[in-house]
Amino acid sequence: DAGVIQSPRHEVTEMGQEVTLRCKPISGHNSLFWYRQTMMRGLELLIYFNNNVPIDDSGMPEDRFSAKMPNASFSTLKIQPSEPRDSAVYFCASSRTGGSPEAFFGQGTRLTVV
Amino acid sequence: AQSVTQPDIHITVSEGASLELRCNYSYGATPYLFWYVQSPGQGLQLLLKYFSGDTLVQGIKGFEAEFKRSQSSFNLRKPSVHWSDAAEYFCAALRSGGGADGLTFGKGTHLIIQP
Repeated sequence: DAGVIQSPRHEVTEMGQEVTLRCKPISGHNSLFWYRQTMMRGLELLIYFNNNVPIDDSGMPEDRFSAKMPNASFSTLKIQPSEPRDSAVYFCASSRTGGSPEAFFGQGTRLTVV
Repeated sequence: AQSVTQPDIHITVSEGASLELRCNYSYGATPYLFWYVQSPGQGLQLLLKYFSGDTLVQGIKGFEAEFKRSQSSFNLRKPSVHWSDAAEYFCAALRSGGGADGLTFGKGTHLIIQP
């Protein structure tokens, strides 16, 4: 298995632009998580899906952030408009509920908003 | 509120010496517990996990961890560290009993290996 695949690995954008981060979970996993990592706040859970349905988005910082999971093999995290304080590493992770519940992480997307 | 605490932000260990990284959790019931490692520019890799049963769990790369219910702790250990162990280590917890919850992470411990 290729693991959790995220794209792009790096993204540099100007303030005010729309940014879309992408994630392909491990095949057969039915839970998907988006995390944000910063020096100040560490790893924060933004939102998670179970069977493609958003379960808890209480970690999404503002309405500028939105996430979708149109099918079991793809999810997006969108920031519109982006701001410099959104600069961080964004991780996607997936797991299989009902079995061994550990989460497997992608390599992350390093976002820089200038 | 559920929380995971890693009291040491940085730890410096000489190569070949033993290592112990501390982790404490605060949950209503004993959660599932994990240790992840993150090398620079990389994602998080699972080192080991505890669900139930034997309180001493073995993981990859020669790491082990011991669950102590009385101390709400899940400390990570390695008998002899290698320079390649230098990384950021995260303790994490997940509410037990099923459901699709997200992990709660500690702030991480940065491990520095001295030659």
